[in-house]
This record gives sequence, structure tokens and C-alpha cells, in this order.
Amino acid sequence: DGGITQSPKYLFRKEGQNVTLSCEQNLNHDAMYWYRQDPGQGLRLIYYSQIVNDFQKGDIAEGYSVSREKKESFPLTVTSAQKNPTAFYLCASSTSGTEETQYFGPGTRLLVL
Amino acid sequence: GQSLEQPSEVTAVEGAIVQINCTYQTSGFYGLSWYQQHDGGAPTFLSYNALDGLEETGRFSSFLSRSDSYGYLLLQELQMKDSASYFCAVSATNKLIFGTGTLLAVQP
Repeated sequence: DGGITQSPKYLFRKEGQNVTLSCEQNLNHDAMYWYRQDPGQGLRLIYYSQIVNDFQKGDIAEGYSVSREKKESFPLTVTSAQKNPTAFYLCASSTSGTEETQYFGPGTRLLVL
Repeated sequence: GQSLEQPSEVTAVEGAIVQINCTYQTSGFYGLSWYQQHDGGAPTFLSYNALDGLEETGRFSSFLSRSDSYGYLLLQELQMKDSASYFCAVSATNKLIFGTGTLLAVQP
């Protein structure tokens, strides 16, 4: 089955720790995205990538980093510089950057210990 | 800047019709999308309007007026399972910009 997967479902971070969230897709999509969602809020764009080995900052990139070494994978690292990381993180992909339909993974809920 | 406005909450009864409005201010507008998100779940695509007018997909319809920077999602024959958050999103250059969402509560 084609789709987009995220792991883990829940992640706990200690103070000063970097953590990496996984996002994998087998839809053969060129574009991938990371969003952050806080309770009762919309989706805010962290980073996006239109093609392998290239990515751009979104609206709230500070404290986060990404890589796009393979078309299928777009991991997000939440660094210790992100002072308020507790949120629901959603990864999405689309055929191209101008495609209006984005397909979302099930999300990772990050909590700070 | 870029911004989208939609009501924070809407309540309706089963079997009724509800309209969720969305107004936007953005540069580089390509179209307006709607997504549904159940509590704790992932957003799923509902509809997309690139041109003015009404698009119908089963019980859901979506409307766009580019001149008014306005659109709406119309849900007919409401069912309990339609209780969810609904987001409008503007297609800009290489990305989507999401509104803050409307929480729809369907009551029996």
C-alpha cells in the first residue's frame, strides 16, 4: 500500500537533547513538508523540500533542521535550541510543490520531560 | 503578509446543512483547498478550487470567489462522523498556507 509513515507515534525529549522524527513516503512524491500543530491551532510550516538535496525554511524554522538525502525520506531534527518543542508534528508529501493535494502522515506527538 | 480567517467553532444538528467561511489575504494565490482533521488524526484532503464557482463532491461542496478573496465549504446532510476540524488552505508558491481551523460539532 502506498502512503506516508511517521515514527515514533510519541516521543519524549529531555532538556538540552536533540531528537529526530522520521518521515517516509512510498508515493514517489517529489515534495515533502513538515508542519507543527499546537492544541486548537492550525498547521504551521517548519521546512519543505521540492527535490532531493534541497530544502527551504518555512515560517517557524528556528530550532529545527532537516535533510533530504533520499526522495522517500525527510527527517526532522528538533534541536535543543527549540525552547518550546511540545507539539504535534505532521509530515506531508505532494506530487510537486504546486500540487494542491498534500498527503499527511499520522503524526508524531513530542513531549518534553 | 499572508493570513486566512475562518470561524473557530460551528455547531449544527445531524441532517442539517452547515457552511464554513474562509477569507484570505495572500500573494501568489493559486487556489483554495479544504482539509478535514479528526481529533488526534492527520488532515485529509477534501476539495480544491482554482477558479471561481462551486465544486461538488458528494455531500461536500466548496466555493471560491477570487475577486472577494473568499471561499466556503458546504456540508450537507450532516452526520455525527462529520464532527472534526476543517481547515482552509491557500496554495501559494511551492507551499500551502493553512488557516487556524473551524471545529465543527454535530449534535444528535
